[in-house]
Amino acid sequence: NAGVIQTPRHKVTGKGQEATLWCEPISGHSAVFWYRQTIVQGLEFLTYFRNQAPIDDSGMPKERFSAQMPNQSHSTLKIQSTQPQDSAVYLCASSFGGGGAETLYFGSGTRLTVL
Amino acid sequence: AQSVDQPDAHVTLSEGASLELRCSYSYSAAPYLFWYVQYPGQSLQFLLKYITGDTVVKGTKGFEAEFRKSNSSFNLKKSPAHWSDSAKYFCALEAYQGGSAKLIFGEGTKLTVSS
Repeated sequence: NAGVIQTPRHKVTGKGQEATLWCEPISGHSAVFWYRQTIVQGLEFLTYFRNQAPIDDSGMPKERFSAQMPNQSHSTLKIQSTQPQDSAVYLCASSFGGGGAETLYFGSGTRLTVL
Repeated sequence: AQSVDQPDAHVTLSEGASLELRCSYSYSAAPYLFWYVQYPGQSLQFLLKYITGDTVVKGTKGFEAEFRKSNSSFNLKKSPAHWSDSAKYFCALEAYQGGSAKLIFGEGTKLTVSS
């Protein structure tokens, strides 16, 4: 079991460029969560999927952020026109069912730096 | 409103001492509560969770936590502490609303155990 895999580990973009972050959940897990971690804001929920369907995107900045889960083996988080305030560690987590009181297993994160 | 408060941003103690990290929550229903740990340079790892039943729950690495409904707290404990326990600890509440079950994290407590 390789755990939750996130790629790339580090990404540097220029202001206004696009960034796509990838997440491969643990095999057999049906729920995938995205969080953002910064020193100032702490751990912020962004969005999550269950059985590939979007369940809750209440934490997503509406205009430039989007997430997809085209199949059960990966999810992507796309940030268009990146801004310096998007700099953060983006964490992906998966759980078995996403139904309640389930343990989340986190990936190592993608550190995004926007210059 | 749903929220988690960890009032101590930093806790420092000596190896061999007892540790207790404080967590309080605000939630209108019966809570599911979690503790996660983040070692330097690593991602979050699950420690333990409270669902129902016994108010003292035991987790990995010798940690336990006590749920107190009377004051809406879920404090993490370990005795004795070891230098390897130095890390950042996050308390989390599972917030359930409209079919969405997501974790809301506190700001975290950075624990330093000196040898």
